[in-house]
Amino acid sequence: AQKVTQAQTEISVVEKEDVTLDCVYETRDTTYYLFWYKQPPSGELVFLIRRNSFDEQNEISGRYSWNFQKSTSSFNFTITASQVVDSAVYFCALRENNFNKFYFGSGTKLNVKP
Amino acid sequence: GAVVSQHPSRVICKSGTSVKIECRSLDFQATTMFWYRQFPKKSLMLMATSNEGSKATYEQGVEKDKFLINHASLTLSTLTVTSAHPEDSSFYICSARRQGVDYGYTFGSGTRLTVV
Repeated sequence: AQKVTQAQTEISVVEKEDVTLDCVYETRDTTYYLFWYKQPPSGELVFLIRRNSFDEQNEISGRYSWNFQKSTSSFNFTITASQVVDSAVYFCALRENNFNKFYFGSGTKLNVKP
Repeated sequence: GAVVSQHPSRVICKSGTSVKIECRSLDFQATTMFWYRQFPKKSLMLMATSNEGSKATYEQGVEKDKFLINHASLTLSTLTVTSAHPEDSSFYICSARRQGVDYGYTFGSGTRLTVV
């Protein structure tokens, strides 16, 4: 079974629109870590955020915000006032406490059009 | 800090040849490094975990004789794709874990391998 599900394969928005990328995860661990990474066309993974399972506080960083809800096993990512430079593939990932392995979702390709 | 360099960024090789990809932690020591493979429009899949001074641990379904991993020092792991075939064409990306930092995982910039 998929440990991390990103149901949205591709999203297209017009610049300045807000967009939310969904992420649902599955784990039996009580301690785990959730991540979001951005992969621009050049290919490198750019770290955006890490959340611990025991910290459900939502976070805002500039135009980015994250909504972590353990009750629904979701860790959604919202970009406010999107810009063309936000165009990339975004990956949600899970790392369980006792393992080094990252489980990545299948990614959501975001296209922001001018 | 915490920079991981991957080299080369792009490589084209002929079918049947071998190609080596390097992953270096530039400003920290990494006892553990990880190799991922990303198929076009697909997620990243862990291939193997590389431990300094010992044999790599491969994920199920990954051919250890085809994807040779060596982690000879605390700052360098290499992935060698042996007898490459066109189906090995992919994006390979490494990750290094910083010693003593629980969530200190840094990803390299990736290597685009094309086998012709």
